[in-house]
Amino acid sequence: NAGVTQTPKFRVLKTGQSMTLLCAQDMNHEYMYWYRQDPGMGLRLIHYSVGEGTTAKGEVPDGYNVSRLKKQNFLLGLESAAPSQTSVYFCASSYVRESPYEQYFGPGTRLTVT
Amino acid sequence: DQQVKQNSPSLSVQEGRISILNCDYTNSMFDYFLWYKKYPAEGPTFLISISSIKDKNEDGRFTVFLNKSAKHLSLHIVPSQPGDSAVYFCAASGGGANSKLTFGKGITLSVRP
Repeated sequence: NAGVTQTPKFRVLKTGQSMTLLCAQDMNHEYMYWYRQDPGMGLRLIHYSVGEGTTAKGEVPDGYNVSRLKKQNFLLGLESAAPSQTSVYFCASSYVRESPYEQYFGPGTRLTVT
Repeated sequence: DQQVKQNSPSLSVQEGRISILNCDYTNSMFDYFLWYKKYPAEGPTFLISISSIKDKNEDGRFTVFLNKSAKHLSLHIVPSQPGDSAVYFCAASGGGANSKLTFGKGITLSVRP
């Protein structure tokens, strides 16, 4: 049982390049989330999904797109990377019908945009 | 506007002493609160939670207290150990259909041997 995994672990992009971050979970969780963590800013929600085929915007969605084609996978895309998107990205999942609404996090992807 | 505030960015305590990490919130619709612990280069891991119908929850060395009237919660770690050195995030949820968590900025705890 791997929990939540993220691919890749590190990536360096040039401004304007695109990439996709992959999140996979093997806990049969319904809800999945993408966060970014910046120094002094805590964790901010980018997009989330309440089930296969559905996505919704979080607190900081601009510049990102997501897709949830399969229940176990949640993809985060950057169409045209900008230096402001340099951050550590965390994926999380939860089985929301059970309290305490605990979210399980992946190990993170460190992205640098030059 | 920050709905979950962790106003102290860091805390340093002696091994064996109590660590008290504070968190304030502004949204009265929050009804569930969680603490997460994060080591460098790892994802956050769940530590302890509390429902708004309680004012205290204990799990081993960790106790969370909730004061709803003050919109304040605190995490107590007794006794503190060097392995507790990490960043601690306070998070809040509106519960029900709103499963999203709102996180504070985090507090860096250093436990000195």
